[in-house]
Amino acid sequence: DQQVKQNSPSLSVQEGRISILNCDYTNSMFDYFLWYKKYPAEGPTFLISISSIKDKNEDGRFTVFLNKSAKHLSLHIVPSQPGDSAVYFCAASHSGTYKYIFGTGTRLKVLA
Amino acid sequence: ETGVTQTPRHLVMGMTNKKSLKCEQHLGHNAMYWYKQSAKKPLELMFVYNFKEQTENNSVPSRFSPECPNSSHLFLHLHTLQPEDSALYLCASSQPGQGDGAQHFGDGTRLSIL
Repeated sequence: DQQVKQNSPSLSVQEGRISILNCDYTNSMFDYFLWYKKYPAEGPTFLISISSIKDKNEDGRFTVFLNKSAKHLSLHIVPSQPGDSAVYFCAASHSGTYKYIFGTGTRLKVLA
Repeated sequence: ETGVTQTPRHLVMGMTNKKSLKCEQHLGHNAMYWYKQSAKKPLELMFVYNFKEQTENNSVPSRFSPECPNSSHLFLHLHTLQPEDSALYLCASSQPGQGDGAQHFGDGTRLSIL
């Protein structure tokens, strides 16, 4: 049973527009969520995180929203740039453990 | 990012070979991880080490044998692997309780089993 799901395997967005990547989770014990970005032939790179005590965290063009009642989080990128084209993974963990559960990833393509 | 270095980047081996993957982190982290990434699957956690002690073995077959001699180095010893073990193996480190607590990944070893 997959505890963290990214139901959209791919997404295409025009440069300058908003990219919205979604992630759903099933385990209500998760209280810390992260987004990673991965370019081909490189390891995932940490992008932004959010704790369950918050519902929004912003860092420059990247904003993560958390809806605990819906067990849903989303990553907004605005404005999108061609360099944002990559695979984006969401991950979740329960504080006190070292275990991070990852989604399958969404491939974002930003069109120039 | 050069904080976590994995070698080799690519490895091709036969099913009867023995080889090792190496991971080194220069970030002063206390926790290190091995993940497996197969095509169209999420990253699968294999092992977790905290202060050199194994804290998680995610039902990994015994043909994968981890070793953590110190907090900066992590190895994955491989023997008699199967074709389905072909995948990207990623190492990561983190410092739980500090900063964002996020894991920092190496660029992985692409393993192909003939």
